[in-house]
Amino acid sequence: ETGVTQTPRHLVMGMTNKKSLKCEQHLGHNAMYWYKQSAKKPLELMFVYNFKEQTENNSVPSRFSPECPNSSHLFLHLHTLQPEDSALYLCASSQDQGGSSYEQYFGPGTRLTVT
Amino acid sequence: GENVEQHPSTLSVQEGDSAVIKCTYSDSASNYFPWYKQELGKRPQLIIDIRSNVGEKKDQRIAVTLNKTAKHFSLHITETQPEDSAVYFCAASSSAGGTSYGKLTFGQGTILTVHP
Repeated sequence: ETGVTQTPRHLVMGMTNKKSLKCEQHLGHNAMYWYKQSAKKPLELMFVYNFKEQTENNSVPSRFSPECPNSSHLFLHLHTLQPEDSALYLCASSQDQGGSSYEQYFGPGTRLTVT
Repeated sequence: GENVEQHPSTLSVQEGDSAVIKCTYSDSASNYFPWYKQELGKRPQLIIDIRSNVGEKKDQRIAVTLNKTAKHFSLHITETQPEDSAVYFCAASSSAGGTSYGKLTFGQGTILTVHP
């Protein structure tokens, strides 16, 4: 598959569960991102990885734990979530060079519902 | 940090009319301004972007203008069509500090409805 893929596409979990979201990019990019998209709110940047190194943690609660084993894969580990964490979680990737920003390609998202 | 304000939150036009969406940003170091379109149930997709060394950019029916002094940029869609109906997001990015990534701060989004 081409572009940016995410699994699962839908996830329902209880507050005591532990689950993981997976993102994979097939574009050869060096940067990957996690965003949260809630109703009536702007896209919120959560984490940024550049060449597998985390370069941004946008004050995200510790119940969200990212992992980037290589430049093509990004995970978001979830545990002890709250109902307000229900949202669409979007992964994106980009090829940033020389201090300049470039287009971010988004995955289809994981629709998360916390019960 | 960067703060991006987007207006209006909803915009309704008749097919063939023009639509304009405006954004302001706070960080004068921001130098990259993309616009994304998100159709219902789909992922955001880039439709046009502009860098701070350019004042205007056009791509067929879509244009973006940037006023660095006033720190605002706008999306213009001419001859709107029903398939233009979607949520549009502006964003601003600064690559300050020598980092090689682009941290995008998004506006709140504009729901555009084009009536046939």
